[in-house]
Parts: sequence; structure tokens; C-alpha cells
Amino acid sequence: SQQGEEDPQALSIQEGENATMNCSYKTSINNLQWYRQNSGRGLVHLILIRSNEREKHSGRLRVTLDTSKKSSSLLITASRAADTASYFCATGAGSYQLTFGKGTKLSVIP
Amino acid sequence: EAGVAQSPRYKIIEKRQSVAFWCNPISGHATLYWYQQILGQGPKLLIQFQNNGVVDDSQLPKDRFSAERLKGVDSTLKIQPAKLEDSAVYLCASSLGTPNYEQYFGPGTRLTVT
Repeated sequence: SQQGEEDPQALSIQEGENATMNCSYKTSINNLQWYRQNSGRGLVHLILIRSNEREKHSGRLRVTLDTSKKSSSLLITASRAADTASYFCATGAGSYQLTFGKGTKLSVIP
Repeated sequence: EAGVAQSPRYKIIEKRQSVAFWCNPISGHATLYWYQQILGQGPKLLIQFQNNGVVDDSQLPKDRFSAERLKGVDSTLKIQPAKLEDSAVYLCASSLGTPNYEQYFGPGTRLTVT
């Protein structure tokens, strides 16, 4: 079963703009992770935020986590054409398993 | 360091045939996962190994799918007999196996069942 649900399903922006994707989930988690998938590099881990953290940064990525609302957001600043990919949130809860959502398809237009 | 290796990269078979996929995880990673990813969806966990023991196979269709991880390193996933709905990308991933660690994915095997 898929716990995380990304929103929007698809997003199209101009190069240089910021992209925001949201993820909602249903049950308690240990951590929430964001992954990127494109045809060239497969599924790649971007960032992990633990349940006791509220915000985390990595380069042009900023992730927030609100456990009271069971939601997370991924912000990509100053987007590039190379950011075109599908982005998945994955929730971790016990036994090191991850449950993935259906993803947001991001298109960055040069 | 070398990443997760998978083979073959592509496979086309007819329904009712059998197929096997191979995965070599990152050295030292105790936990190995097999996922099924159908086009347009996120990966769905099929089975998780901790060393050579099964941790979770609740979503593995055991009437046709089987997996093993001998000696706690390489793993194989087999489908027999295949159905049309098994057409998907099969991803192998590994991790250090402790909470709050990311998973490293292989390139996947794209299976087409005709």
C-alpha cells in the first residue's frame, strides 16, 4: 500500500523559478525521505528528515516536516532543466522499510 | 564506491514463462530490498532481507514470485509463471540496515510480458 501522497501530480515551471511539492501521509513515521527518478540515473536519494526535525536543507533543496499535519514539502530553488524528473516522498516506519507515494512529475522548461 | 548492480537491464518474455533477476548490493549493506514499479506509480516493496533472512514479504505474490539471498550478499528474484500484469521495472535497493538511513537503488530491470 502507498502511504505518501504527493501533490501536485505534475508541475511545469520555467528555469530559474522555484518548485514546491507536497507530501501527505497517514500513520506515524520515523523519518521521511525524498527521492528523484529520471531515465538517466534511476532512483536517487535526495534528503532525509527525521520525525523530530522540522526543516532540513541540502544545496538548493529545502524540506519541511509537520508531524501534526502529517505532511512534508520539498522546495527546489532556482530550478534547472536538469531538475526535470519525478520526485517521490517515502515514509519510513519500523523495520527500515520505506513506503513510496506516486510521485510528482516536474518539468523545468529552459 | 560501487553502486547496486542489477541484471539483466531489459527482459521480454511471453506470459506463463519464467524469468529471474539478479542483484548485487553495495558491499557491507545488510539490508536488501526488491521493489516493483509499474509505469506511472511509485515503487512497491515486494520483499526485504536483513542479511540472509526475510524481514517482510507480505506484498510478494508467493504463488508466482520467489526470492532468495544466499550468504547474505547477492539476491535473485524469480517469477514463474509470468502474467501480463507483471510488466514493470524491478528495482533492487540496499541500505546499511539501521533506522534513518537512505536506500541506494540499482538501475532496475524492465520486464515486458507479452
